[in-house]
Amino acid sequence: SQQGEEDPQALSIQEGENATMNCSYKTSINNLQWYRQNSGRGLVHLILIRSNEREKHSGRLRVTLDTSKKSSSLLITASRAADTASYFCATDAFYSGAGSYQLTFGKGTKLSVIP
Amino acid sequence: GAVVSQHPSWVICKSGTSVKIECRSLDFQATTMFWYRQFPKQSLMLMATSNEGSKATYEQGVEKDKFLINHASLTLSTLTVTSAHPEDSSFYICSARAGLLLHEQFFGPGTRLTVL
Repeated sequence: SQQGEEDPQALSIQEGENATMNCSYKTSINNLQWYRQNSGRGLVHLILIRSNEREKHSGRLRVTLDTSKKSSSLLITASRAADTASYFCATDAFYSGAGSYQLTFGKGTKLSVIP
Repeated sequence: GAVVSQHPSWVICKSGTSVKIECRSLDFQATTMFWYRQFPKQSLMLMATSNEGSKATYEQGVEKDKFLINHASLTLSTLTVTSAHPEDSSFYICSARAGLLLHEQFFGPGTRLTVL
């Protein structure tokens, strides 16, 4: 079942502005990951943050994780038109029923960067 | 990173027919494989998890007799949509992990199924 909830559902910004997307989840996790998906295409892994980490950077991406609030945020700085895509958070946790760790995806944020 | 392939990338079939989708891990052994489904403008929903050599574990609401999953080897999993209907039209994405305790999960490019 889906665990993550992202907000906003849609975000439209001008090129050069920063974009912030938030994700909330409900249960304990091992790590949280962010993915990008261009329309009708496969997933691109962006960044992984472990449950004992609070912040992580990768290029123009900054991810924060607050396990006490069960929330994460993805910041894209100096956005470009090419950043236009849907962004999903995914929580990694162990599910005893399946006997494995699983990724469960949030509903996603559709980002539009206007040139 | 590790590569997961899917075949076919898209398929169109008539209502009532069955469709098989293959998922392969090309350069690693996948102890666990996952099948997700994504309807237009929605997120990925996990359908089932399969550990090599074991029966798949299906998520609530997913009909195991309709969506047959076989994970016969450490590099191959198949999803067969039996007696497909238009409401089964969706984007099916497989994913794989190289070990039970490894947290990298690699995704295939997806298969777009259209049932007429």
